Amino acid sequence: NAGVTQTPKFQVLKTGQSMTLQCAQDMNHEYMSWYRQDPGMGLRLIHYSVGAGITDQGEVPNGYNVSRSTTEDFPLRLLSAAPSQTSVYFCASSLRETQYFGPGTRLLVL
Amino acid sequence: DAKTTQPPSMDCAEGRAANLPCNHSTISGNEYVYWYRQIHSQGPQYIIHGLKNNETNEMASLIITEDRKSSTLILPHATLRDTAVYYCIVRVWFGSSNTGKLIFGQGTTLQVKP
Repeated sequence: NAGVTQTPKFQVLKTGQSMTLQCAQDMNHEYMSWYRQDPGMGLRLIHYSVGAGITDQGEVPNGYNVSRSTTEDFPLRLLSAAPSQTSVYFCASSLRETQYFGPGTRLLVL
Repeated sequence: DAKTTQPPSMDCAEGRAANLPCNHSTISGNEYVYWYRQIHSQGPQYIIHGLKNNETNEMASLIITEDRKSSTLILPHATLRDTAVYYCIVRVWFGSSNTGKLIFGQGTTLQVKP
């Protein structure tokens, strides 16, 4: 199993550009989540999904969209990037009590 | 989910036990205590969780007080590779909440020194 994979590892955007952060898992987990982590801070939940076709907002959803068309994939879309979205983004999946995190995507918005 | 309080930082000598405290005085009867750690900007890693009994696995032990208002994560023989930020999280049992979300606080930065 590859576990949770995220692409790209690093991305630079200009203000106003849009992009999609990819997340995939091969463990057949129903639950998937997106977090962001700013320097010196803990993780904050952006969006999460309890299964294909079902998503909901977390603590900081503004400026982000998600969809869950398959169990394996949970992409995060930035609609119009802003410098405040410069962060490290982590995707996670879980079956029961344990969440498995991906390696993260570092995003810089200029 | 109940709020947790952890010291911002701790030091531990290599080879000694590291005892990381967590206060969760508003914990409810159906809420579990989870511990995760994050090593140098990698994705967080699950360590252990428990409800009211003490728990032990290959990584650590979790001691929960009888009133469940606080807990301690114990790394029995800390190594330099245990240097990380440790997060204590309290939430309802995963299957009952059907949300899959964990709310992270600031955590404790554990520095293991030679």
